[in-house]
Parts: sequence; structure tokens; C-alpha cells
Amino acid sequence: QSALTQPASVSGSPGQSITISCTGTSSDVGSYNLVSWYQQHPGKAPKLMIYEVSKWPSGVSNRFSGSKSGNTASLTISGLQAEDEADYYCCSYAGSSTLVFGGGTKLTVL
Amino acid sequence: EVQLVESGGGLIQPGGSLRLSCAASGFTVSSNYMSWVRQAPGKGLEWVSIIYSGGSTYYADSLKGRFTISRDNSKNTLYLQMNSLRAEDTAVYYCARADPTWGSYFDYWGQGTLVTVSS
Repeated sequence: QSALTQPASVSGSPGQSITISCTGTSSDVGSYNLVSWYQQHPGKAPKLMIYEVSKWPSGVSNRFSGSKSGNTASLTISGLQAEDEADYYCCSYAGSSTLVFGGGTKLTVL
Repeated sequence: EVQLVESGGGLIQPGGSLRLSCAASGFTVSSNYMSWVRQAPGKGLEWVSIIYSGGSTYYADSLKGRFTISRDNSKNTLYLQMNSLRAEDTAVYYCARADPTWGSYFDYWGQGTLVTVSS
């Protein structure tokens, strides 16, 4: 159960789009369409933003979108806003009823 | 309204034991998949364990044998029994409700409870 690989940080200006990658293996990301993404503001609990690669939970803006190709999943945030500044984590089902998270990406809105 | 409230965290010496609780409201714990996720200070999220509605339990490989997930249906509460605690178990522990198909994502989270393992 090695952690999924995410860039440590990404940044963008308001109104721009950014993409955060999440690379796993053929045993987790590559084998299942069960990748989710979480937003976490400092001192707060994580919030579900995307599930099952590209689905939106109720109440989440469609500025957030997810995709997957091979062993890499991606989260794209369009029309960046100041309140999007947070840490983002991917998570994948890894078989045998286990899950694995990514190391997290700090998004800075310039 | 769905709510999860963790408790039971605190300062514990290495080698000690601690039981965390997660009181749920707005839904029935026993009818859902429930999980624990932890976050060491300044670090990322780490999946710890899951209990299915049918009662099956699963753990991260690194924690097997030391942690036990359980629930009390009458109290609508989830637990995490942690034994032989080590400094590296220091973290905020979150309980979360998982999806009922694969348990692959978490739609509701508690506020977390801090466990500090130190002498």
C-alpha cells in the first residue's frame, strides 16, 4: 500500500485553470474507476469533491472535474477562486477492501 | 442532518492503549460502511480501517494486529481500539462514512480527535 504520487504544490491565478495529477499503479488507480478527491482547508476536516473518478457530490461546484488515464488520475479546477486555496488529496481503492491516499498537493491561488 | 463527533483522543505513553469513539447522528452506523482515516501533524491523509455494514473489517497493512475497528449498534457509535501505541501513531484521527458499494470514498467526516503518543 504505497501512497499515490501527487505534486507537492501547484499554483494559479484567479480565473485560470489548474490540474493536479495523482499517479498510482496497475494495482490501484489503473485497476479501478474508484478514485476520489478531497479538499482540506487548514485545521478543517477533508471535504469530498469528486468520487468514482469524475462524479460530483451534491453541492460541489462543477468547476471541479476529474479524469483518469491509465495509472494516473487528475483533478482540474477551472475558474480558480481565492477560496480554492487548500490542500488536495486523491484516494484510490487498492483491492482487498483497502484504500490508499496520495501525499497531498498544496494549491496556492496567486 | 448527518453528524460525526469523535472523542477519546489525548496524550498517551508509548506502548499504551486508547479507544476512540465516533458518535453518529442523522443516519445508522450499522447500515453503512464506516472508516477511520488519520493525519499526522503537517502530513497527508492515511487510511486506517473500514467496517462494512455486514460487520467485516479491514485494516491498512502497517496497522494490522494493533488496531481494531468496531461499532455499538445500540449507541450508533463507531470505535477504534488502538494498542501498543508508537510515536508514529501521533495524528488527528477522523471517522468518516464510506460509500456503501465499495467503501471507496467518504462523504461525511467528523472534526477529528488528536492522539499524541509521547513519554
